[in-house]
Amino acid sequence: EVQLLESGGGLVQPGGSLRLSCVASGFTSSSYVMSWVRQAPGKGLEWVSGISGSGGSIYYADFVKGRFTISRDTSKNTLFLQMYSLRAEDTAVYYCTKSVGGYYYYGMDVWGQGTTVIVSS
Amino acid sequence: QSALTQPASVSGSPGQSITISCTGTSSDVGGYNYVSWYQQHPGKAPKLMIYDVNNRPSGVSNRFSGSKSGNTASLTIFGLQAEDEADYYCSSYTSSSTSLPFGTGTKVTVL
Repeated sequence: EVQLLESGGGLVQPGGSLRLSCVASGFTSSSYVMSWVRQAPGKGLEWVSGISGSGGSIYYADFVKGRFTISRDTSKNTLFLQMYSLRAEDTAVYYCTKSVGGYYYYGMDVWGQGTTVIVSS
Repeated sequence: QSALTQPASVSGSPGQSITISCTGTSSDVGGYNYVSWYQQHPGKAPKLMIYDVNNRPSGVSNRFSGSKSGNTASLTIFGLQAEDEADYYCSSYTSSSTSLPFGTGTKVTVL
């Protein structure tokens, strides 16, 4: 079964850092673009970042502005999102996703269950 | 990143058809055929319903259909069923940046 399992969320103080992980199973994640999408409480979906299968192409939403870093370990079928300088507005459920094909703007056909990040003092 | 514009809510009776619009610009929806639609039930992860404007992933009911005209994409649900009650979001490639904007979201209510 094709699955994505996120972890690493939690409560962090403003200005703090957090590293999210996403383990893929049931498919070879290095063959697909993977992305992070977030959803603040009661709000809509917001794309955060995407990375190509090889890791050679990386894309970020404008609001990231150097605070987040996406990476992947193809040997472990794992995607990461390192987040720095966290703000209250980064509070959200963060989803790991797999794209249908080789570009970040293709449809995302597999989603994880999400991991919750709360930024609060 | 500028969000694509969707109606806040759409409703219909069981068996009816409804259409959700997603309005962008010539830099995104109007200029490229990379529009996707997602369904999200409360407390659940989103599910891909349509990609590349009008392609359905395997396993998605053929009651869901996508189309595009000018700068507006549309998702039509035929034969509305109670299980279709959910939030729906569109997304599109944009040449304005390397972001992937989503729509503002539409709540579908089955009366």
